[in-house]
Amino acid sequence: GAVVSQHPSRVICKSGTSVKIECRSLDFQATTMFWYRQFPKKSLMLMATSNEGSKATYEQGVEKDKFLINHASLTLSTLTVTSAHPEDSSFYICSASDAIVGAQTQYFGPGTRLLVL
Amino acid sequence: AQSVTQPDIHITVSEGASLELRCNYSYGATPYLFWYVQSPGQGLQLLLKYFSGDTLVQGIKGFEAEFKRSQSSFNLRKPSVHWSDAAEYFCAVGHTGTASKLTFGTGTRLQVTL
Repeated sequence: GAVVSQHPSRVICKSGTSVKIECRSLDFQATTMFWYRQFPKKSLMLMATSNEGSKATYEQGVEKDKFLINHASLTLSTLTVTSAHPEDSSFYICSASDAIVGAQTQYFGPGTRLLVL
Repeated sequence: AQSVTQPDIHITVSEGASLELRCNYSYGATPYLFWYVQSPGQGLQLLLKYFSGDTLVQGIKGFEAEFKRSQSSFNLRKPSVHWSDAAEYFCAVGHTGTASKLTFGTGTRLQVTL
């Protein structure tokens, strides 16, 4: 149980284009989803928290107009990197918490590696 | 503000040897504590968690962790390491509340020699 998927697993795009990453909870309803960014050999940096049907809450220093987050249903959240630039290249990981099991536990997706050329 | 410290960046152990990964936290209330493991290029897998009750917590893959309030620690242990345990291990503290954010430590990379 508590499986989270991400799509795509890796993507390469040209500078200036937008990229959408999907995060799905496969066997539970996720009232809250989180988006993280991880640099090589570094820990996870929380970018934003999203609740279904509400606007995402962004962490300090994260540009909300650049990293658009939508959480339209209890099983799907999307992160769109708009006008991507090489410095946006990173490993993006989502997680979801199960309102029934307990909001305190996050289950992580496998991550999406983004390379912007 | 809450914080998590993993003092060991890199640890190497021989297969079959015991393992202890250190984690210290700073949090104003009773913390929710987690250990996650990340294999290269993968997401994070939950090994175990502590919310309350018995301070010795059993997890998957033979791991256990002990919450010691007096030392603000939540160290991860395994009596006999397998080569497949080589990975990055993250300790995290969860904020109490309905939308529980996690604060992660910087991680400890475990290398297992045969």
